[in-house]
Amino acid sequence: GNSVTQMEGPVTLSEEAFLTINCTYTATGYPSLFWYVQYPGEGLQLLLKATKADDKGSNKGFEATYRKETTSFHLEKGSVQVSDSAVYFCALSDSTSGTYKYIFGTGTRLKVLA
Amino acid sequence: DADVTQTPRNRITKTGKRIMLECSQTKGHDRMYWYRQDPGLGLRLIYYSFDVKDINKGEISDGYSVSRQAQAKFSLSLESAIPNQTALYFCATSDFRGNQPQHFGDGTRLSIL
Repeated sequence: GNSVTQMEGPVTLSEEAFLTINCTYTATGYPSLFWYVQYPGEGLQLLLKATKADDKGSNKGFEATYRKETTSFHLEKGSVQVSDSAVYFCALSDSTSGTYKYIFGTGTRLKVLA
Repeated sequence: DADVTQTPRNRITKTGKRIMLECSQTKGHDRMYWYRQDPGLGLRLIYYSFDVKDINKGEISDGYSVSRQAQAKFSLSLESAIPNQTALYFCATSDFRGNQPQHFGDGTRLSIL
């Protein structure tokens, strides 16, 4: 079945450091891939998405490229800020099975220190 | 106003009580979902509904029931709450077109003593 695996946290970085959060997936069809961010006390918010191979999603300085050959969708940011401290979830949606369900990774907590 | 509104935001109750969590949305989406979030386990799907007459069990539906009262309203009930149902619960919606992102409410933190 479909699954999403992302690196365990917490990830602790200093402000202005480079961020990578790894995400790999398994899917039987042609999924869309998403990164969501969850700030304390809030629900998940869509950060970026990619719908087909080689697409690059980007938003707020974050980027992720849909790599079909490595089944990966790693999240990157060149210079993190304290305000980026949150939990990040990788997710996929696969419509080819007809169910349109969403599969989430377990989340990676990022803490950015000033 | 939020597009997806969950009530209550926090609830503490006792074992054996019946509890209803409510979700309403103004996004006009047909599809609605209930998840629970536990530390280290990510989000797990409880129930989902693709329209008012279509309700489906998710991966952890035991001990829960749902009602889709209208396109905009989807409620989750715990008929007889137990402590291991203590968790953060999220409602989400999505467009009928496949592979679109979901939109989440801010969650209900439920504690069962």
